Amino acid sequence: AQSVTQLDSQVPVFEEAPVELRCNYSSSVSVYLFWYVQYPNQGLQLLLKYLSGSTLVESINGFEAEFNKSQTSFHLRKPSVHISDTAEYFCAVSSGFQKLVFGTGTRLLVSP
Amino acid sequence: EPEVTQTPSHQVTQMGQEVILRCVPISNHLYFYWYRQILGQKVEFLVSFYNNEISEKSEIFDDQFSVERPDGSNFTLKIRSTKLEDSAMYFCASSTRGGGYGYTFGSGTRLTVV
Repeated sequence: AQSVTQLDSQVPVFEEAPVELRCNYSSSVSVYLFWYVQYPNQGLQLLLKYLSGSTLVESINGFEAEFNKSQTSFHLRKPSVHISDTAEYFCAVSSGFQKLVFGTGTRLLVSP
Repeated sequence: EPEVTQTPSHQVTQMGQEVILRCVPISNHLYFYWYRQILGQKVEFLVSFYNNEISEKSEIFDDQFSVERPDGSNFTLKIRSTKLEDSAMYFCASSTRGGGYGYTFGSGTRLTVV
């Protein structure tokens, strides 16, 4: 069985500061890893994903995540956050043609 | 950009009543899913559907739940006799391939059982 752990339920940060949202996973097979973002009263949007190849993946709005197999982690980072990044961020894992297993989410609160 | 459309956005129903949540997946997608998110909790998998049959379901998806693709475009989730604990946000998703490849989620239906 697969599982995802997001240790931080909430991360407050000031605008233009760097941020890291932590994600650790557990799986007995090869995995695919995802970060989804949920803005208030909206659905889930794919932020970025790791399927294979380069372990560092980037999104179009400045987020990046690095797949670390030895530490079973897929932490999400952004060097400088904006107020508009305030949202809930979910890490998820899948093993191919299977369902997504989500973490409990991290609420990123960006203040001026 | 193609979207997954869910209706209604919010539904209130009385305990014991049947509800049908509707979804229109992206037209060339082959895999369809329902997930739910109880307020303040994580997103949980309910069921996946491929080739007109359920391919996987979770423990949550008991006999009270059913899915259907009645007309080749809609994908519905039926809850036969709602319980208070069914109150949640229900997300539909579709993909060209399984396992999160190219997943697109709808904006969700908030179901409130009173």
